[in-house]
Amino acid sequence: KQEVTQIPAALSVPEGENLVLNCSFTDSAIYNLQWFRQDPGKGLTSLLLIQSSQREQTSGRLNASLDKSSGRSTLYIAASQPGDSATYLCATIQGAQKLVFGQGTRLTINP
Amino acid sequence: DAGITQSPRHKVTETGTPVTLRCHQTENHRYMYWYRQDPGHGLRLIHYSYGVKDTDKGEVSDGYSVSRSKTEDFLLTLESATSSQTSVYFCAISGDGKAFFGQGTRLTVV
Repeated sequence: KQEVTQIPAALSVPEGENLVLNCSFTDSAIYNLQWFRQDPGKGLTSLLLIQSSQREQTSGRLNASLDKSSGRSTLYIAASQPGDSATYLCATIQGAQKLVFGQGTRLTINP
Repeated sequence: DAGITQSPRHKVTETGTPVTLRCHQTENHRYMYWYRQDPGHGLRLIHYSYGVKDTDKGEVSDGYSVSRSKTEDFLLTLESATSSQTSVYFCAISGDGKAFFGQGTRLTVV
């Protein structure tokens, strides 16, 4: 059974810092890994999708990497802004397109 | 944004009553899912569907049933609502290995 873990559970940093969010998974037989953002009281917004054959994906100030052999993915946020404050979740996608989520990292960027 | 709509967005119901939540998609994706999200538990899969009339249980399926009579609609029914089913319910769809979520339904069982 796939287990996805995100560390840390919460992170608070000053504006402008570069930061890394971590996601680890126990079963490396995944199709894809997807990072989401969730604002309070809202749904999940897809940020980046990394296919199993890829090592990383970039979108603006966000960069996500994937190392299947070690069961890890990282989300790098450059030059953080207060608007980046949200909960970030990673999910692995396996057979039958099942998603398994981590518990998320609650990120606060302080002005 | 993917075309996925949940209804209702908010509902308050009494213990013991049946409740049906609807998820509607316009993307023609094969896979549809129902999750619940609770503090301390994250997102947990209730049921999912891999085609019309094809459904399977997730990790927290007790007390819930689903139906999918059309590609675009996936219904979640709480057969007899209990206070432990107070939660935020999310519908998701996936295609080409990428998932999209609805805005959620906040259900309160009193």
